[in-house]
Amino acid sequence: KNQVEQSPQSLIILEGKNCTLQCNYTVSPFSNLRWYKQDTGRGPVSLTIMTFSENTKSNGRYTATLDADTKQSSLHITASQLSDSASYICVVSLSYGNNRLAFGKGNQVVVIP
Amino acid sequence: DGGITQSPKYLFRKEGQNVTLSCEQNLNHDAMYWYRQDPGQGLRLIYYSQIVNDFQKGDIAEGYSVSREKKESFPLTVTSAQKNPTAFYLCASSPDRGRVNTEAFFGQGTRLTVV
Repeated sequence: KNQVEQSPQSLIILEGKNCTLQCNYTVSPFSNLRWYKQDTGRGPVSLTIMTFSENTKSNGRYTATLDADTKQSSLHITASQLSDSASYICVVSLSYGNNRLAFGKGNQVVVIP
Repeated sequence: DGGITQSPKYLFRKEGQNVTLSCEQNLNHDAMYWYRQDPGQGLRLIYYSQIVNDFQKGDIAEGYSVSREKKESFPLTVTSAQKNPTAFYLCASSPDRGRVNTEAFFGQGTRLTVV
């Protein structure tokens, strides 16, 4: 079973609208949770990184939340733009000291005009 | 400017041939990683290195080999023993092998196709 589950697998939204992506994980204990944006055919780029003691972190129009009790995280995109079309990957750091990471399969977002 | 560079961007290989993917970073990072990405799947760890002249197998190391002779370089060789090598390969690096909340930076990837 995958340690990091993301939903929805894909979604289409209208330009200017908001959307929320979900990430549930079973990894415990973990040191941090990250969200990456990956454009098609490119490498992932970091959006946010949160330790288990943080509840929310923003990066421009991207806001990530974390509930360590329920092992859930979300990424909210505000006022979507065409350039937001990408895969958004939730990543959990597995353990202390060696930076091993567990990756979700990604949320594929398509923004249409 | 600083960053992590993978080359080539696209690579074609005949069955039975070995091929080496390049990964170079000028960020002075200790740790480097190789991942494989297949459609509809999360990234899977092939090999990682936390210090020069040392590397460890990841979750799917069979059919792959690496070396870490220099801090800035971590080449990946896809051997003929890898039965399904067609994939998107991503190299990453992070600053400090001893700290857990350090950021991982990714290269732009190499798409390998076996023909």
